[in-house]
Amino acid sequence: KAGVTQTPRYLIKTRGQQVTLSCSPISGHRSVSWYQQTPGQGLQFLFEYFSETQRNKGNFPGRFSGRQFSNSRSEMNVSTLELGDSALYLCASSLALSRDEQYFGPGTRLTVT
Amino acid sequence: AQKVTQAQTEISVVEKEDVTLDCVYETRDTTYYLFWYKQPPSGELVFLIRRNSFDEQNEISGRYSWNFQKSTSSFNFTITASQVVDSAVYFCGVGGGGSQGNLIFGKGTKLSVKP
Repeated sequence: KAGVTQTPRYLIKTRGQQVTLSCSPISGHRSVSWYQQTPGQGLQFLFEYFSETQRNKGNFPGRFSGRQFSNSRSEMNVSTLELGDSALYLCASSLALSRDEQYFGPGTRLTVT
Repeated sequence: AQKVTQAQTEISVVEKEDVTLDCVYETRDTTYYLFWYKQPPSGELVFLIRRNSFDEQNEISGRYSWNFQKSTSSFNFTITASQVVDSAVYFCGVGGGGSQGNLIFGKGTKLSVKP
């Protein structure tokens, strides 16, 4: 069974630009959660999608948004990038909601210059 | 609000030593879930264990064991006879029991096991 895949793996953007990250969950998993990982703040929850609906949202500004498609694939978008958005963005999938066992992808390393 | 405290930022042990990673959590939910994840140098988080709040039985899986004490809001993780391959960052997390239960992680404990 294929694991969670994230594309791209690495990304370099300039301040003010926007970026879209993609996540394909494990086949059969309906929940996708996104996390931001930085050395200073650690792992922080961004949002969770289940059956194409956002179920939970962390404490991030509106520049961070996401969506989920009917095949459970999810995208995360960050607009008007700031230097502080440089981080590893992790996607996790689970059968139901995020309180279940989650399987994480390798992450997308975003660098904002 | 939920919060997880992993007071040990870094721990260094010599192979074959036992090591305990501490985790203290806060939550207002009456039903909740506790997790441990491992992040090896490769970067991908690996699920280790999930424990429901109503199940206070301790768990042992090979060299790994978990001690859940609701009275002290702790969910500690012990590795017996540590090995170099155990070197990683370990995260403890708590998730709410309702449909709005997103997972909150601690800052992690970096474990280095030296040969």
